[in-house]
Amino acid sequence: DTAVSQTPKYLVTQMGNDKSIKCEQNLGHDTMYWYKQDSKKFLKIMFSYNNKELIINETVPNRFSPKSPDKAHLNLHINSLELGDSAVYFCASSLSGPTQETQYFGPGTRLLVL
Amino acid sequence: AQSVTQLGSHVSVSEGALVLLRCNYSSSVPPYLFWYVQYPNQGLQLLLKYTSAATLVKGINGFEAEFKKSETSFHLTKPSAHMSDAAEYFCAVRSYNQGGKLIFGQGTELSVKP
Repeated sequence: DTAVSQTPKYLVTQMGNDKSIKCEQNLGHDTMYWYKQDSKKFLKIMFSYNNKELIINETVPNRFSPKSPDKAHLNLHINSLELGDSAVYFCASSLSGPTQETQYFGPGTRLLVL
Repeated sequence: AQSVTQLGSHVSVSEGALVLLRCNYSSSVPPYLFWYVQYPNQGLQLLLKYTSAATLVKGINGFEAEFKKSETSFHLTKPSAHMSDAAEYFCAVRSYNQGGKLIFGQGTELSVKP
């Protein structure tokens, strides 16, 4: 069973389109994250949700809107896609509280904007 | 602010040789430190983590890392490289006061020559 899953794995789209990436975890975690990995493989946090509440919003353009329908899901919707949005987007999850140490990552969604 | 610096964006070793990947951190509080590995076109997998229990941390696949407070370092080592170790390696520190986000280093690509 996949612990953290993302769909789709690959996404190729035109500039200006709107797209969504879905993430689900079956680890029973209460905190979920979105990270962006750029073309130089640098990883940076975008958002974090704890119990469906937004706790990190790392100066991401408001074209990016995360949504957490429940603790096990964190989706990422991107409006008006731009060339610079091309990257790999990773979802991760962890427990909060004193044991909030290990974040488990999904396989990534490779987004290419043409 | 916390940060991580990985020295060397690319390291090449021969099969059977010692692997040494360098990581230095900056933190005003005792840090939680992690090493993740990313194989091509895959997500991030936890290799090991330091959470103040022991300064020498053993991880998966024969890797280990030693936390040295005096040197603010958390270098990753493996006595004998295997071809399957070729991957991208990331050192990260967990933020204490920003929702537990991971702050990543720039990554080090490890190549293993036969």
